[in-house]
Amino acid sequence: QQQVKQSPQSLIVQKGGISIINCAYENTAFDYFPWYQQFPGKGPALLIAIRPDVSEKKEGRFTISFNKSAKQFSLHIMDSQPGDSATYFCAASKATGGGNKLTFGTGTQLKVEL
Amino acid sequence: KAGVTQTPRYLIKTRGQQVTLSCSPISGHRSVSWYQQTPGQGLQFLFEYFSETQRNKGNFPGRFSGRQFSNSRSEMNVSTLELGDSALYLCASSFGLGNTEAFFGQGTRLTVV
Repeated sequence: QQQVKQSPQSLIVQKGGISIINCAYENTAFDYFPWYQQFPGKGPALLIAIRPDVSEKKEGRFTISFNKSAKQFSLHIMDSQPGDSATYFCAASKATGGGNKLTFGTGTQLKVEL
Repeated sequence: KAGVTQTPRYLIKTRGQQVTLSCSPISGHRSVSWYQQTPGQGLQFLFEYFSETQRNKGNFPGRFSGRQFSNSRSEMNVSTLELGDSALYLCASSFGLGNTEAFFGQGTRLTVV
């Protein structure tokens, strides 16, 4: 059972453009939603995270938008750069009984072209 | 502050053997989680340890086990290795329990031949 669905699987964006990656979850008990960036040969790096009490969080060029009623959240990368080319994973976890267990989406391979 | 350290980085084992992977969390972090990453299944949760106790377990066979020591360092063991166990094994370190930020190590690339 895939509890976090991520799309698209791959994405090509021109330098300076906006990259948008979407995730949808099923379990309404989830209450923490981080995004990770992974480069080849490296472990995932925490980019930004949101909790359901806010609808948007921005850190630099990265913004998470969160829609609790639709059970969806998305990552927007503004002014995308070639250095942003990586695989991005959304994730979700629940505090009660969940510890720090993360349920991951399937990943989006982003390529930013010059 | 040092990050999460996983050793070894690469490992080649023969089917049927067993393997032990090690993870040293960020200083002060008491939670260690383990994940398996494969192209087909993505990132899947194995188990989580906090204060030397297993707090959570994923849907993996009993061949996968782990433990945590009093200094928060953790090991995971896979016995009777199968070809399908070939994967990147990732360790994540968190300060406490309950949706605290998780920081990953670089992983151990296990190849079973």
